[in-house]
Amino acid sequence: DVKVTQSSRYLVKRTGEKVFLECVQDMDHENMFWYRQDPGLGLRLIYFSYDVKMKEKGDIPEGYSVSREKKERFSLILESASTNQTSMYLCASGTATQYFGPGTRLTVL
Amino acid sequence: RKEVEQDPGPFNVPEGATVAFNCTYSNSASQSFFWYRQDCRKEPKLLMSVYSSGNEDGRFTAQLNRASQYISLLIRDSKLSDSATYLCVVNREGSYIPTFGRGTSLIVHP
Repeated sequence: DVKVTQSSRYLVKRTGEKVFLECVQDMDHENMFWYRQDPGLGLRLIYFSYDVKMKEKGDIPEGYSVSREKKERFSLILESASTNQTSMYLCASGTATQYFGPGTRLTVL
Repeated sequence: RKEVEQDPGPFNVPEGATVAFNCTYSNSASQSFFWYRQDCRKEPKLLMSVYSSGNEDGRFTAQLNRASQYISLLIRDSKLSDSATYLCVVNREGSYIPTFGRGTSLIVHP
């Protein structure tokens, strides 16, 4: 079974803090993705990566950056968290189909 | 027109009912289509891929209509456990990058 894990299920941060969300997959997938999910807006793609050290902007990359130093790990970074980044963050890996981690519910106060 | 559109519902049906959802997509060159299921406060999980000729998995049937650019999901003999949000997914032309619909909520009641 594919397993995608995320570092935290719940996180509370203050405005202006730097936030790291980590994602690890164990299926040797080349593709990894970060989404945020908000009520009424669905899943929106933030960034994705096809390979180590490679990253591409998704639909809503503003305010975020990513890091992929190892194939199994894909990190999402909020350089200076803002209240409008309060959301559910979901990591996924896969090719044609995607396997999701359990999500991190981030609250920025 | 949004890239992938779904009726948000909720669809409220009794156990044993048959229910169908449609999803329209805007890019006629899209090649890969899927239905995912998302339970409340859980991550999305693949329910089934959608093939050109249509495909069935137990009580679930998925169909693709390329001419009208929509895919459908039919659930027969609904169970209480089918209550969830169903996400339509269309991969962007020539890539593995998915576009998700906003989901259709299904509530199956006794």
